[in-house]
Amino acid sequence: TQLLEQSPQFLSIQEGENLTVYCNSSSVFSSLQWYRQEPGEGPVLLVTVVTGGEVKKLKRLTFQFGDARKDSSLHITAAQPGDTGLYLCAREGGNQFYFGTGTSLTVIP
Amino acid sequence: EAQVTQNPRYLITVTGKKLTVTCSQNMNHEYMSWYRQDPGLGLRQIYYSMNVEVTDKGDVPEGYKVSRKEKRNFPLILESPSPNQTSLYFCASSPGTGKYEQYFGPGTRLTVT
Repeated sequence: TQLLEQSPQFLSIQEGENLTVYCNSSSVFSSLQWYRQEPGEGPVLLVTVVTGGEVKKLKRLTFQFGDARKDSSLHITAAQPGDTGLYLCAREGGNQFYFGTGTSLTVIP
Repeated sequence: EAQVTQNPRYLITVTGKKLTVTCSQNMNHEYMSWYRQDPGLGLRQIYYSMNVEVTDKGDVPEGYKVSRKEKRNFPLILESPSPNQTSLYFCASSPGTGKYEQYFGPGTRLTVT
C-alpha cells in the first residue's frame, strides 16, 4: 500500500481564522495532488505539486511540498464558509492513485 | 462542457442482482478509473484503464468487473452484489501518462440490501 496520512481528521473553525492541514507519507513521491470534495459531489482538483520545496498559491490557499517530497501542507488564510469541505491529498504510483482519508473542514460563519 | 457523467446517481438493489454503473467522459482522456469511498477508509481504487482494451486491478477489485471497449466509456459491473459493496462510487478520468490531474464524476450511491 502507499499510505498517505492526513491530519487533522476533523477541523471546525470560525470564519476569518487561519488553518493548516497536513499530508504525510513514509515514502518519497514524485508529485502530489490536493482535492476538495463538497457533500454529494466528486472531488475537484485544486493543485499538483511536483518539486521538493515547491510552494503554490491559489487565492487564499497556499500549498507546500516538503523538501524531501514525503509530505505536503495546505494553509488557508482567513477561512470562509465556502471553504467548508473534505480536503484530500493523493499521489500516483505505478499507474495507480492513492488517496489520504482526508481532513473534513467546517468553517462557521 | 468538459465532464465525467455517471448513471445512475442513486441505486438500491438486492443481493445477487447484477447491475451496471455507466461512466462516460467527453475529454478524450486515455486514463479512466473507478473508486469507492467509505467512511474512515477514504477513496480506494477499484479498477483502472490506461487506454482502450487495457484494464488493471486497483486495490479493491474483488466483486467488480470493468470493460473499456471505447475510449469515452468505462462501465463498472457488479455481477452478484453483496451488502459489503454498499458504498459511494466515483468514476474519474485523466489525460494520461505523466498528467496526474483527475476529473471526477458526481458519484453513484449504491445500497445493497
